[in-house]
Amino acid sequence: GAVVSQHPSRVICKSGTSVKIECRSLDFQATTMFWYRQFPKQSLMLMATSNEGSKATYEQGVEKDKFLINHASLTLSTLTVTSAHPEDSSFYICSASGQGGAYYEQYFGPGTRLTVT
Amino acid sequence: KQEVTQIPAALSVPEGENLVLNCSFTDSAIYNLQWFRQDPGKGLTSLLLIQSSQREQTSGRLNASLDKSSGRSTLYIAASQPGDSATYLCAVRDFQKLVFGTGTRLLVSP
Repeated sequence: GAVVSQHPSRVICKSGTSVKIECRSLDFQATTMFWYRQFPKQSLMLMATSNEGSKATYEQGVEKDKFLINHASLTLSTLTVTSAHPEDSSFYICSASGQGGAYYEQYFGPGTRLTVT
Repeated sequence: KQEVTQIPAALSVPEGENLVLNCSFTDSAIYNLQWFRQDPGKGLTSLLLIQSSQREQTSGRLNASLDKSSGRSTLYIAASQPGDSATYLCAVRDFQKLVFGTGTRLLVSP
């Protein structure tokens, strides 16, 4: 149980285009989803937290107009990187929590490798 | 602001050795601490989760301890195997958020 999928696993896009990454909880209802990015040989940095039906809360320094997050249902959250640039190339990982409280575990997706050319 | 540090950054050992990975955090007001494994280019696999009220958790050859007051956790791997080669991340839960450490890259050679 507690499986989280991401699609696509890899995507290459041209500079200036937008790309959407999906995160799905397959066997549980995710009231909260989290988006992280990871640069090579670095740790995960939280970008934003989204609760179903609410606007996402972005971490300091993350541009909300560039990284659009939608959490319209209890099983799906999307991250759209708008007007992508090469510096947006990174590994994006989502996680989902079945409850919103502090004690509940986050389940991680397999990640999406974004390359902007 | 919570900061999580892992030492060493990289570790190379021969197969069969017992080893210890260290994690320290600056704010002891945490809800829990979690150890993850990450293979190159892959997502995270949760290994052990220790609630703030607990001192340790064990799973197979893995044992994780938590000393919240001193801001430290250790992950002990017994009888290491080449398949244990990966990056190990610790993360502390700060209310809803997970704050990740810098990771330890482990290489176990046959």
